[in-house]
Parts: sequence; C-alpha cells; structure tokens
Amino acid sequence: AQKVTQAQTEISVVEKEDVTLDCVYETRDTTYYLFWYKQPPSGELVFLIRRNSFDEQNEISGRYSWNFQKSTSSFNFTITASQVVDSAVYFCALSEAYNTDKLIFGTGTRLQVFP
Amino acid sequence: DSGVTQTPKHLITATGQRVTLRCSPRSGDLSVYWYQQSLDQGLQFLIQYYNGEERAKGNILERFSAQQFPDLHSELNLSSLELGDSALYFCASSGRGGIDTQYFGPGTRLTVL
Repeated sequence: AQKVTQAQTEISVVEKEDVTLDCVYETRDTTYYLFWYKQPPSGELVFLIRRNSFDEQNEISGRYSWNFQKSTSSFNFTITASQVVDSAVYFCALSEAYNTDKLIFGTGTRLQVFP
Repeated sequence: DSGVTQTPKHLITATGQRVTLRCSPRSGDLSVYWYQQSLDQGLQFLIQYYNGEERAKGNILERFSAQQFPDLHSELNLSSLELGDSALYFCASSGRGGIDTQYFGPGTRLTVL
C-alpha cells in the first residue's frame, strides 16, 4: 500500500543552521511523483517541488535542496542557512500515476527556526 | 498566490447544519480536488473532479458531496455537521490531472460548535 512517513514531528534550529527533513515513501507502482509542500503559520499550502520516479537527480533551488534515492525510498529536503521565515510545517506527498491523481501526504514536520 | 480561490475563509456553524464551500481553480485548470486537514486525520484526499465529472473518491463521508460546474468552479457540500467535521478544507487544481502539479487554495476553516 502507498504510504508516506515523516518520522520527525518537530525540529528546532537556530538561524543559519542547516536542517534536513526526512521523507520515506512506500508504493507498488514504478511510475510515481513525489512532492514537498510548505504550510506557513498563515495556513496555506505552498508547492515547493515535484519529482518523478525516473529522475533521481538531486535538485537545488537557492537555499533548498532535495535528495531523491530510490534505493532507500527516500526524498529528503535540506534547507541551508535556515532563516526565521522558513518556520512552517513541511509536508512530503506521493502521487501514483496509475491510481488516480490523489496526493498521499505524510504527517508533516514542524520546523521552528529561532533567531 | 497560487491562483486558486476559496470562499469563505472562515465558517462557524452549529451541529446538524449544512454548509457549502466554494472553489475556483486556476485559469485553464480542468481538475479540482478537495482535501480535509484535521488534527487527528492529517491531510486527507476527499474527492476529485475533472472537467465536470467525478474522477476519484477518497475518504469522503456520505454526508459530504461535491460537484464541478460548467465554468469549472467547484462546491463541497457538508451536511448534518458534527463536531468532528471541524477542519481546514482545501481545494486544489491542476491542468490535466495525473502528471500535473496540484496548486492549493488558501483553505476554508470550518468550525462546528
């Protein structure tokens, strides 16, 4: 069955520290998509990245980077030099191409960045 | 701003009542999704519509129903409300569904007293 696990419930760091948010997924499908969304205190869900199962290249966008490893079914998210504005709940999600388009979300990791 | 709009932003009502949540997708998007976010269940997929037709159903209660209109906006109807229905309800849209990314609206926070 498809499942997304975010084992870290809450992480606290001080500004400028690097932080990695873990995401482990389970799926029977060979074609699937992985996502990260950010939910700041204001409540909206903001799309950050989408990865398909055939593209294992790591991606960097500014201070954000993502490490996709099929061998360990992980799609981890690293924030370099964290800032207070990074404080939010981060969700990892999975979509299976063959089984509707619904997103299966993890339980989220609450990141608090202190000045 | 994702381009997806939801109204109202907040809704407070009593048990047993019926409410309607409204969603307008991004311009050009054909697919609309509804999700519920609650403290005990997390983010759960409820239902998806594509170009006016129901395409997928998730953990949606029988008391809940949805539809997508010809202009592609969608409504989620919640009836016989219970305290446990209090949650943040999100609408998302995507272009064609499937491989397209879902962009979320700001959500409607429903409080049932």
